[in-house]
Amino acid sequence: AQSVTQLDSQVPVFEEAPVELRCNYSSSVSVYLFWYVQYPNQGLQLLLKYLSGSTLVKSINGFEAEFNKSQTSFHLRKPSVHISDTAEYFCAVAPTSGSRLTFGEGTQLTVNP
Amino acid sequence: DVKVTQSSRYLVKRTGEKVFLECVQDMDHENMFWYRQDPGLGLRLIYFSYDVKMKEKGDIPEGYSVSREKKERFSLILESASTNQTSMYLCASSSTGYNQPQHFGDGTRLSIL
Repeated sequence: AQSVTQLDSQVPVFEEAPVELRCNYSSSVSVYLFWYVQYPNQGLQLLLKYLSGSTLVKSINGFEAEFNKSQTSFHLRKPSVHISDTAEYFCAVAPTSGSRLTFGEGTQLTVNP
Repeated sequence: DVKVTQSSRYLVKRTGEKVFLECVQDMDHENMFWYRQDPGLGLRLIYFSYDVKMKEKGDIPEGYSVSREKKERFSLILESASTNQTSMYLCASSSTGYNQPQHFGDGTRLSIL
């Protein structure tokens, strides 16, 4: 079984500031790692994923996440946030031998002007 | 573009009613999922299906059932609705393959009075 812990339920930041959303996971098997974003009144959208290879993965809108196997973490970062990044962010894991996702509790990112 | 459509954005029902939530995907995906989303708990898997007429229990199946008679349609059924089933319900689909991302609908906010 897998579990995911998102260490911050709410992260308020000012526009153009850097941000880090923390995600730790636990699993007895190899996993794939995902970050999803949910804008207000919408479903979830895939932001980025780690499957294999380079431990640093990037999204098209400036977010990046680094897979750290020794610390079982997959933190999400952005060097400079925009108002439009305000959303809830979910970290998720799936076993490499299955299709089921296990989600974290979510982190509400609020970017203030 | 990928499309997962949930039949209702908002739904209000009474305790004891039988409730149907419908989900349709147009991507010919094999896998379909039903989650409920509650503040502070993230997304929890209710049921999923990897083929027509096939279903598997997720983490919180009690009080729910599902139906998948056609590949594109996955229905969630609340046999006898209760107030603790008031929640946001999200449907998702994915293609076969362990690293395939899930695509989500916009959700149905269900209130049981």
